[in-house]
Amino acid sequence: AQRVTQPEKLLSVFKGAPVELKCNYSYSGSPELFWYVQYSRQRLQLLLRHISRESIKGFTADLNKGETSFHLKKPFAQEEDSAMYYCALMDAGNMLTFGGGTRLMVKP
Amino acid sequence: ETGVTQSPTHLIKTRGQQVTLRCSSQSGHNTVSWYQQALGQGPQFIFQYYREEENGRGNFPPRFSGLQFPNYSSELNVNALELDDSALYLCASSLWLAGDTDTQYFGPGTRLTVL
Repeated sequence: AQRVTQPEKLLSVFKGAPVELKCNYSYSGSPELFWYVQYSRQRLQLLLRHISRESIKGFTADLNKGETSFHLKKPFAQEEDSAMYYCALMDAGNMLTFGGGTRLMVKP
Repeated sequence: ETGVTQSPTHLIKTRGQQVTLRCSSQSGHNTVSWYQQALGQGPQFIFQYYREEENGRGNFPPRFSGLQFPNYSSELNVNALELDDSALYLCASSLWLAGDTDTQYFGPGTRLTVL
């Protein structure tokens, strides 16, 4: 069975500092990976999807199959980036498995 | 184009009761997935409906059941409610084409409290 692990429940950084939210996965097939974000009092929304290789709001994520990781990175954090971030894996049946989430706090 | 909507927003029930939660898909989507999100945890997959049939199920007991209607809206039914069923229930819709996957778009959720 697939599994997604986000080892940090809370990550606190200062504005302008680099950010890396870690995500590791286990899956026997070819993974499709996502990052979802949930801002305060808002619904869960897609941040980025590895297959599209886009950079959204300055965030990027690279799939590393050797290390089974899909870490989310941003070179300079902004206060508006404070939110809950969830890494998720989609299997061949179109079903998502989520990690436990990391709360990012960006301090002024 | 309207997004995914869910009703009701909040619900309070007592142990042993039954509950029905509703979800309207985003326009053009044919697949609905339901997730349970307990406090402090990531969403957990309950089941998915595609073309009015259950298309996959997570590790949830049979008292969790669902329906999908011809207009692709969906219901989640939970019988014999237990205290541990207290959670945020999320609905997500997507367009699933054979051999392809699509992003799932989430509704705002229904907060269920079981007393």
